[in-house]
Amino acid sequence: GAGVSQSPSNKVTEKGKDVELRCDPISGHTALYWYRQRLGQGLEFLIYFQGNSAPDKSGLPSDRFSAERTGESVSTLTIQRTQQEDSAVYLCASSLAMQEFNYGYTFGSGTRLTVV
Amino acid sequence: RKEVEQDPGPFNVPEGATVAFNCTYSNSASQSFFWYRQDCRKEPKLLMSVYSSGNEDGRFTAQLNRASQYISLLIRDSKLSDSATYLCVVNGNLGDFGNEKLTFGTGTRLTIIP
Repeated sequence: GAGVSQSPSNKVTEKGKDVELRCDPISGHTALYWYRQRLGQGLEFLIYFQGNSAPDKSGLPSDRFSAERTGESVSTLTIQRTQQEDSAVYLCASSLAMQEFNYGYTFGSGTRLTVV
Repeated sequence: RKEVEQDPGPFNVPEGATVAFNCTYSNSASQSFFWYRQDCRKEPKLLMSVYSSGNEDGRFTAQLNRASQYISLLIRDSKLSDSATYLCVVNGNLGDFGNEKLTFGTGTRLTIIP
């Protein structure tokens, strides 16, 4: 697609429920990233995927968080047993990742998750 | 020390003034540098890349000082529409795949006052 698409744009869930967030990257972008941004805070790295290589999961805050991506297509971020502190905007980005040069990321508009 | 550090501001600047932000980074091996802009309740958007020789895009000028490990953003003739949070971005953690993983500063908030 023309841009990075995320769904849903807003999600309200009850504490303890599981949620699944979806990201559709720009066609041809080999790298995909998930970030979290709490209200008034900076971007917190969660996970990134590069092609078919093993993902860098170093930013996932707990084992309740997991993400998958098949090849260079759609990614899903799953949060199990949601807690109130999970409330944030979850941003997905994609890029033409290259060893020699970085072209920067393009972000989706995010999923605003509210846990009540 | 944080990988990328910025003055959080806020900077409140009258319309038409010139304003400058600095940002420092910790990884001397970093190769890619950017400024992103984030409007309230919106996603970050790439403003400009920062090149070693410095670069300009209209009213915006970016500079890189590798020796001191800082980058700067200068905005001339500021407009009301420049009000936003400006994020300094560096590939501070080279990761396993090269230089593609970026680290974001927490941002500097700018408000242009009419």
